[in-house]
Amino acid sequence: QVQLVQSGPEVQKPGASVKISCKTSGYSFTSDYVHWVRQAPGQGLEWMGIIDPKTGRTSYKERFQNRVNMTRDTSTSTVYMEVSSLKSDDTARYFCARDSRLSMVRGVHYPKFDFWGQGTLVTVSS
Amino acid sequence: DVQLTQSPSFLSASIGDRVTITCRASQIISSYLAWYQQKPGEAPKLLIYAASTLQSGVPSRFSGSGSGTAFTLTISSLQPEDFATYYCQQLNFYPFTFGPGTKVDIK
Repeated sequence: QVQLVQSGPEVQKPGASVKISCKTSGYSFTSDYVHWVRQAPGQGLEWMGIIDPKTGRTSYKERFQNRVNMTRDTSTSTVYMEVSSLKSDDTARYFCARDSRLSMVRGVHYPKFDFWGQGTLVTVSS
Repeated sequence: DVQLTQSPSFLSASIGDRVTITCRASQIISSYLAWYQQKPGEAPKLLIYAASTLQSGVPSRFSGSGSGTAFTLTISSLQPEDFATYYCQQLNFYPFTFGPGTKVDIK
């Protein structure tokens, strides 16, 4: 079965960096995209970016462009996201989510986040 | 960025009620819209994609409709496990964006 398992909670100081992992299993790692979404305490969902595990190509939300780096390791079917220059408002739960490249409806590809990691809580505090 | 608004932001309903949540996009997104359910402490769960396609394993009491800029999620008969927050998401343009959420609570 498809699973995305994320690394454990992190506590970091302002200005530091954090690297979160998302280990996938149960499907062909290079067949599908992986997205990252975050959720601040009591708030809604915010899309951060996407990585194509096949090519390593990424696309980030503009406001994260200079602070986020998504990478992948095809040997372990793992995706990573590093967030640098952390601020207190980066305190959030970070989720990875799979987006099936083969999601088709009436012959048209429609993205969908069909499997999610359990989330990684990152706390930024001095 | 495509802005999504949801209404209502909060809804109080009883078991067996028919519930409808509306999502509106700031520009045309065709049918590139998904709906998710999220319970406290859990990851979101995909319910509907392509505006009206039911995700495998999701009960048929959930349905979606709409295209362009106006979309709805309907729960035909609310069940105890449906009390949660619901989010719409557009997947037509980067950055993908989510609506602010609709919390469905017990009356």
